[in-house]
This record gives sequence, C-alpha cells and structure tokens, in this order.
Amino acid sequence: EADIYQTPRYLVIGTGKKITLECSQTMGHDKMYWYQQDPGMELHLIHYSYGVNSTEKGDLSSESTVSRIRTEHFPLTLESARPSHTSQYLCASSAGQGIRFNEQFFGPGTRLTVL
Amino acid sequence: QKEVEQDPGPLSVPEGAIVSLNCTYSNSAFQYFMWYRQYSRKGPELLMYTYSSGNKEDGRFTAQVDKSSKYISLFIRDSQPSDSATYLCAAFGAGGTSYGKLTFGQGTILTVHP
Repeated sequence: EADIYQTPRYLVIGTGKKITLECSQTMGHDKMYWYQQDPGMELHLIHYSYGVNSTEKGDLSSESTVSRIRTEHFPLTLESARPSHTSQYLCASSAGQGIRFNEQFFGPGTRLTVL
Repeated sequence: QKEVEQDPGPLSVPEGAIVSLNCTYSNSAFQYFMWYRQYSRKGPELLMYTYSSGNKEDGRFTAQVDKSSKYISLFIRDSQPSDSATYLCAAFGAGGTSYGKLTFGQGTILTVHP
C-alpha cells in the first residue's frame, strides 16, 4: 500500500473559513499533485509540484493555493471557503523516474463540505 | 472535446461475467495508458499500466491499447463482487503540454452482483 496520507478525511465547515488540507508522503517522491473529484466526474488536476519550492497550477482553475517547502509535504489552502468548494480533494505523488515514472500513488482523499 | 472519454455506466453484471470497459482519447501525444480502480471513499489505485499499442495481461485483467483508433480497453474475466468499484482510464504524454500530467476519463461504475 502506498504511503501517502491525507488529513482530515472529512471536513464540514462554514462559509468564509480558512482551511488547510494536509498531504504527506513517505516515499521520497519529487512530484506531487492535487486533484478535485466530484461524484461521477473525472479527476481534475488543480495543482502540481515537481519538487521543493516548485508549484504550478493545473488544468482546472482553483481558488486554492499550495506550497512545497519540504519534499514530503504538499498542503492545500483555501483562504475563504465557499459552498462551490464542496468536493473531494485527492493528493497524489510519483517518483518521476524509473520504468513506471509516471505512476501516481493516491491518498485516501479529503471530502470537504462547505455550508 | 475531452481528451479522454469514458462511458460512465453504471454497469451491473452477474458474478462470473466478462466485463469490458472502454475509453477513447484524442491527443496523439499520449503514449502511456493506465487503468485505476477506485473503491468507495478511497483514492484510486493503479491496476494496469501499458505503453503504446498491444495487450497486457495480469491475472483476470487484460488491458488493450489500439493507438490507430485511439481506443483503450480493460477486460475483466470471471468477475467477482470484490471487483465492484469505479474504473478510471488515464493517459500520459511524454511531451508537449501534457507532459508530466495524467489525463483521466470520467470513470465507469461497475457493480458485480452475486
């Protein structure tokens, strides 16, 4: 089983609150990703990082921000949560090298509900 | 047009049936193709990984890629209730704007009933 962790698993919060979703991996992977997934919909890449101090926006525009200060840690922050942010957020990582260099390992996800 | 299209189903089959899951893609730069399985309230996990055209078999699972028609398939033989999950196809390009990023299909919800 992949060693990638996300906390909290479930979060219900009121509009306007600042939240941080945590993601950590113990595999030493350089590449990390955040996806947003709504029920019955595909995964949409919202942020990715190729290493420490490297962050890029993904294909789906998001009001969230990310940081990558340590290799193993890739937190996602919403400064002011809104009901439209209600979704499942999945974190993933990949080695970026080797035969299956683009295999991504996923965390269990954080299900966010904004009231 | 989505770069990877997948029939969302849902698909319901009896135990022991052969299941066929399919995707089409439009980006010719895609070279690596994967199938992920996602159980309810879990993150996706890699099931099959293929490069370019051809077949790859792993136990009851066979992944098939036809680059000429841009068609990806996953076959499950002797399906079991434990195979009930959402199956996501994904593609990866080794160059251009798609480099470093997986593009996922919508996912097909599969239920195998005893």
